Amino acid sequence: QQPVQSPQAVILREGEDAVINCSSSKALYSVHWYRQKHGEAPVFLMILLKGGEQKGHDKISASFNEKKQQSSLYLTASQLSYSGTYFCGTLKSNYKLTFGKGTLLTVNP
Amino acid sequence: DTGVSQDPRHKITKRGQNVTFRCDPISEHNRLYWYRQTLGQGPEFLTYFQNEAQLEKSRLLSDRFSAERPKGSFSTLEIQRTEQGDSAMYLCASSLVPYHGYTFGSGTRLTVV
Repeated sequence: QQPVQSPQAVILREGEDAVINCSSSKALYSVHWYRQKHGEAPVFLMILLKGGEQKGHDKISASFNEKKQQSSLYLTASQLSYSGTYFCGTLKSNYKLTFGKGTLLTVNP
Repeated sequence: DTGVSQDPRHKITKRGQNVTFRCDPISEHNRLYWYRQTLGQGPEFLTYFQNEAQLEKSRLLSDRFSAERPKGSFSTLEIQRTEQGDSAMYLCASSLVPYHGYTFGSGTRLTVV
């Protein structure tokens, strides 16, 4: 029941865009996105609830298609500080957040 | 709001010993979660509390693991008779309600030798 993230890793140059996808085989209540830098704790970015909403956080936005049980995280005009591992977490009826394996994003100058 | 605190930050123990970790959540948060993370993997759910009630425990956890949250405040996670496979980062998180983001602590890194 672990959500599947793709790609596993992506390398960008500063200023480029990236999309990270998250899909689940089960019906979802909501999707969380977190970023974790090496040796640090995961940091909450945003949460998307049922209803196909989109959200934005600086130049990072996300969408949630509940019918397809998919969410995508969009990073535009990437900055060096965006480097890290991005995790999606899916919340089902039991209120247990299950994380994917993560997408390692590297932004180079 | 001082964030989620975990203690200790690092723990090295010999196989077979018992270890206990502590988590102090954000005071207004009534939900507290324990996760385990190994290198290159996402956080893996262990258990969670709503106030002092432990609502769910992962089936992956053996009987060697136990968690408490007395009076709905801080929480402890105890591992008895540690094994090398228990080596991991143990993360604690708290949230106000399920639909709010989790605030994670810095974690306790356990090394079993």
